Amino acid sequence: GDSVTQMEGPVTLSEEAFLTINCTYTATGYPSLFWYVQYPGEGLQLLLKATKADDKGSNKGFEATYRKETTSFHLEKGSVQVSDSAVYFCALSGSSGGSYIPTFGRGTSLIVHP
Amino acid sequence: KAGVTQTPRYLIKTRGQQVTLSCSPISGHRSVSWYQQTPGQGLQFLFEYFSETQRNKGNFPGRFSGRQFSNSRSEMNVSTLELGDSALYLCASSLGTAPRGDEQFFGPGTRLTVL
Repeated sequence: GDSVTQMEGPVTLSEEAFLTINCTYTATGYPSLFWYVQYPGEGLQLLLKATKADDKGSNKGFEATYRKETTSFHLEKGSVQVSDSAVYFCALSGSSGGSYIPTFGRGTSLIVHP
Repeated sequence: KAGVTQTPRYLIKTRGQQVTLSCSPISGHRSVSWYQQTPGQGLQFLFEYFSETQRNKGNFPGRFSGRQFSNSRSEMNVSTLELGDSALYLCASSLGTAPRGDEQFFGPGTRLTVL
């Protein structure tokens, strides 16, 4: 079945550091790929998405490129802020019987220090 | 517009009891999905309802069930609760019409504790 693997955390960075959170996937066909963010005490929010190979999703300074050849969708940000501290989830939606089945990674906790 | 709402936010039950959780999706959204989130297993898909029909189901026992009403509101029921059912239960809504997956909008979750 489909699966998503993302780097284990926590990832601890100083403010203004460069961020990379790795995500690789296994899926049949051509899934859509997503990054969600979960702040403490809240539900998940969509951060960005890409629906086909070589698409780049971007939002709030975060970027991720859909790489079919390496089955990856790594999340990057050039300069993190304390307010970026949260848990980040990589996810895919793969088709099954005409509709999609969402699969999430285990989540990566990001802690940004001032 | 109003987001996804879930009630109650916190619940404490004992083993063997049953529980019903409620989710109100964003207006106009016809798809509601339920997830179980635990530190050990992460975020696991329970099931999805679209236009009052269960469209997809994850790998959970039959003790977990759900339904959706004509106004798209959804309920999830867990019978014969076990200690391992303690988790954050998240509901997510979407339009449900994109062939390769819509953006999902999540509620804040219901924290269920089974004693």
